[in-house]
Parts: sequence; C-alpha cells; structure tokens
Amino acid sequence: DIVMTQTPPSSPVTLGQPASISCRSSQSLVHSDGSAYLNWLQQRPGQPPRLLIYKVSDRFPGVPDRFSGSGAGSYFTLKISRVEAEDVGVYYCMQATQFPYTFGQGTKLEIK
Amino acid sequence: QVQLQESGPGLVKPSGTLSLTCAVSGDFITSDLWWSWVRQPPGRGLEWLGEVYHSGNINHNPSLRSRVTMSVDKSQNQFSLELSSVTAADTAVYYCAKVGPARGGIFLHWGQGILVTVSS
Repeated sequence: DIVMTQTPPSSPVTLGQPASISCRSSQSLVHSDGSAYLNWLQQRPGQPPRLLIYKVSDRFPGVPDRFSGSGAGSYFTLKISRVEAEDVGVYYCMQATQFPYTFGQGTKLEIK
Repeated sequence: QVQLQESGPGLVKPSGTLSLTCAVSGDFITSDLWWSWVRQPPGRGLEWLGEVYHSGNINHNPSLRSRVTMSVDKSQNQFSLELSSVTAADTAVYYCAKVGPARGGIFLHWGQGILVTVSS
C-alpha cells in the first residue's frame, strides 16, 4: 500500500493568515496515464469529510478559491491563502492512483 | 439533492458480522458511479474499505481480506456492507459515499456516518 505522510500534525493559525499543509507519498503518485491522483479532504468537527481538491490542483465545485493545491511526484501541498473561522477542522490528503486508496493521518487546523 | 443515509446496528458482538446499508436518494444506484465505504475509528484517521458498482464489480481493501462483502440492491436504491469476524478494532464511524466514475477517487457526496461499536 502507498503510505501517505502529512506534516504538521497540527497547525495553529491566526485568522486572515495563510496556512500550508504538506503531504508526502511513499512512492510516486503519477499514474501510467500521466496524471497524479492526489486529493485533499476537509473534515469539520462532527461532520463527514468533504472533497476540496482533486488531481493535485483541481478545486471541487463550491470550494472557495482561497484553497489551492500543488505538487508533483511524491510531494504535495495544500494552501489556504487567508484562514477563516469555518476552516477549522482536520485536513487529509488521499491518494487514488493505486488501490487501496490511502489517506494521510490528518492535520488539525486550529485558530490561535 | 443527493442524500446518503447509513443504517444498521450500532452495537455488534465480537466475532459477529457488522451489516450496514446506505440508502441513496436524489440519484440512481444504477448511475455511472461507484458506491464506497470509508471508516474512521474514534479520534483517528480515515480508512478506505472499498467500492461497488451497480454491475457488481468491486474494488476492496486487501487489508480486510475476505471479511468484507459489498453489494447493491437496485430495487431499493441502496448498497450494503458486511464485515465478518469483527473485533474491537472494527469499532468506528462508517461512512458511505458516492464516487465519480472516472479514475481519481472523486468523492462526490458523503453520508453523515454511523458509529458501530464492537463489544460484548
């Protein structure tokens, strides 16, 4: 299985300031079709997860443009340009290049 | 508006079988979509269990070996999960989800989740 490792485990951020979460995979996520299937999900407290970003950098419909994804190969980043109160929760990266799909351990975003 | 609703026993005895159903409304189980199960032990991260297509095709997590069965009930517009020989390690919130047809694990919609506790 592909192991996904996220850093940091938690991220205290001031409202209005940027935040960044890193995700590394144990092997390249580039599929034979040339795409990397790396997604980012947000889980607010008491809620199911919600897809934010798919295929590294494509924003899911309805996701604010302050969320952006980047990366290639085995290294990926989720950035929030200006953190808002509603962004509090746990963020997971997830690879869908190879079965079984696997998730990072999560990064808890909290407000300072 | 698409809704997915998990249902089933909230308590299962060790060595028993966990059986859950996900009722789908606002979409057809026979659509070109995958129907997936993901679980989350209390206070922990997410684990993908597998997905089923209305044709009966299944992709599953090998870590669960032969304990998992997934199926689709077209007449009831729902899909199901069975996990046999459960232990305390299977205690988790179980989510059902609707996944897009293309490669990439596009989780389009999630149920609210159901907590299943394995205990005698």
